Amino acid sequence: EVQLVESGGDLVQPGGSLRLSCAASGFTFSNYAMTWVRQAPGKGLEWVATLTGSGGTTYYADSVKGRFTISRDNSKNTLFLQMNSLRAEDTAVYYCAKGDTVPSSFDPWGQGTLVTVSS
Amino acid sequence: DIVMTQSPDSLAVSLGERATINCKSSQSVLFSSNNKNHLAWYQQKPGQPPKLLIYWASARESGVPDRFSGSGSGTDFTLTISSLQAEDVAVYYCQQYYSTSYTFGQGTKLEIK
Repeated sequence: EVQLVESGGDLVQPGGSLRLSCAASGFTFSNYAMTWVRQAPGKGLEWVATLTGSGGTTYYADSVKGRFTISRDNSKNTLFLQMNSLRAEDTAVYYCAKGDTVPSSFDPWGQGTLVTVSS
Repeated sequence: DIVMTQSPDSLAVSLGERATINCKSSQSVLFSSNNKNHLAWYQQKPGQPPKLLIYWASARESGVPDRFSGSGSGTDFTLTISSLQAEDVAVYYCQQYYSTSYTFGQGTKLEIK
């Protein structure tokens, strides 16, 4: 069974940094693109970033480009999202999701981790 | 970016009746190289992550009840629930994966009348 478990969400001040992790199991991690999607409280879904299986190609939403970095450690079946220069509007539940090739739909999704940016 | 617009924003349907949700993209999501529409539908129940229901606009994900169906091509798509069940109360999102700048519709909240 495919499982994705996010961690690392926290309360952080504006301008601060945070690193999210997504531990994957149940599939050959390095064969699949992985994605981060976020959902602000009471709002819809917003794609954040995608990384190919090899880790060689990244894709970012304009809203996070230059501030967020997606990466992966295929030896540890883990996906990361390094978030710098955080803003109040980055407050959201962050989900990791498994893709296939790029582009693709996302399935399944993890349970999410909450990031709150506030002073 | 491709803008995805869903209608209606909310919908109330009686149990056993048909529910229809529409999704329109600002440009075609039909990929010429594979002749497939790069359009997915997700269901999100309260407190849960989204769940993939439909991909390639009309292919049902494994385990999804056959009362859920997707149709459409190009820029206009529809998710239909043929006979609404209580457990179908959720927010439904369409998503295009034609562009690697993925975008979602704003969501449609489905309730029981």
